[in-house]
Amino acid sequence: KQEVTQIPAALSVPEGENLVLNCSFTDGAIYNLQWFRQDPGKGLTSLLLIQSSQREQTSGRLNASLDKSSGRSTLYIAASQPGDSATYLCAVIPLDSNYQLIWGAGTKLIIKP
Amino acid sequence: DGGITQSPKYLFRKEGQNVTLSCEQNLNHDAMYWYRQDPGQGLRLIYYSQIVNDFQKGDIAEGYSVSREKKESFPLTVTSAQKNPTAFYLCASRRTGGSLAFFGQGTRLTVV
Repeated sequence: KQEVTQIPAALSVPEGENLVLNCSFTDGAIYNLQWFRQDPGKGLTSLLLIQSSQREQTSGRLNASLDKSSGRSTLYIAASQPGDSATYLCAVIPLDSNYQLIWGAGTKLIIKP
Repeated sequence: DGGITQSPKYLFRKEGQNVTLSCEQNLNHDAMYWYRQDPGQGLRLIYYSQIVNDFQKGDIAEGYSVSREKKESFPLTVTSAQKNPTAFYLCASRRTGGSLAFFGQGTRLTVV
């Protein structure tokens, strides 16, 4: 059964630093992997979607990588800002899942001014 | 603007009471989902529907019920059989064949 893990559960860094959030999954047989952002008490906003055939995706200051063979994805945030403070979740869609998302528990990111 | 609307934002339930959470989308998506989110855990799937008048149980369906009478609407009822309903509930939709899921803003349910 596919499991998704995000470590650390929480991260606090000073403004301006580059940082990496980690997501690992146990089975590389996936359609894709997605990174989402969740602000406190709010719904989820999709940040980046990486198809299984892709190695990375970029959007502005965000870059997500995917290595299916090792079961790992990273979300790189460049020049962090206080507005980046949120919980970041990753999710995979396994090939045998009827398109159901399997979620990590998230990393709560705090950017200190 | 297209999107998903959940209501109410906050809901309080008394012991033994059934409550219904609303989810409406105007994205013309076929698939709709209900997730439960608890602190420190990933989202858990309650029910999903791929098409009108059809729905399937997710991983934690016990104590919940849904209906899908219209493409736009997928209400979730939290019944008295759900012993620990306090949580944040998220509704999502997805276009058939698409990967991206769009989420509502959530409903926070509290038992009083």
